[in-house]
Amino acid sequence: DTAVSQTPKYLVTQMGNDKSIKCEQNLGHDTMYWYKQDSKKFLKIMFSYNNKELIINETVPNRFSPKSPDKAHLNLHINSLELGDSAVYFCASSRRQNLNTEAFFGQGTRLTVV
Amino acid sequence: QKEVEQNSGPLSVPEGAIASLNCTYSDRGSQSFFWYRQYSGKSPELIMFIYSNGDKEDGRFTAQLNKASQYVSLLIRDSQPSDSATYLCAVVKGAQKLVFGQGTRLTINP
Repeated sequence: DTAVSQTPKYLVTQMGNDKSIKCEQNLGHDTMYWYKQDSKKFLKIMFSYNNKELIINETVPNRFSPKSPDKAHLNLHINSLELGDSAVYFCASSRRQNLNTEAFFGQGTRLTVV
Repeated sequence: QKEVEQNSGPLSVPEGAIASLNCTYSDRGSQSFFWYRQYSGKSPELIMFIYSNGDKEDGRFTAQLNKASQYVSLLIRDSQPSDSATYLCAVVKGAQKLVFGQGTRLTINP
């Protein structure tokens, strides 16, 4: 069973479109994240939710809107896609904060905006 | 100053040698430190975590933490070609915010 699963794995779309990426974890974790990894492999946090509540919102354009219907799901909706949004988006989850909290990552969604 | 800094490499090491990967962080209050490995086209996977000063060993891997110098490293002994990957240093800040360095690309040459 896949612990953290994202769909789709690949997404190619035109500028200006709206798209969503879905994420689900079956680990019983309380916290979920969205990370963006650019072409230089830099992995940057975008959002973090704890039990459906937004706890971290980095400097991300308003076009990006996360939604957590329950603590096992964290979806990412992107409006008016731009070329610069092309990247790999990773969903991750972890247990509630403690010193050795490990984040488990999904397989990533490679978004290409043309 | 970046929150977590790594030498992006590439770092080339002969098979069987020790690979040494370094990371510095800016927030002196950081408590937990992680090393992730990422193969090309794959997701990051945890290798080790450390939160006490000193060394922590797990098989061929040793993590070293020096909080006074704000420095954490990863040593890989008896390097194998399968160790070739990008290694990401990560630091927990504040409310469970896991911040990553830019990663070091490691190549083990047979």
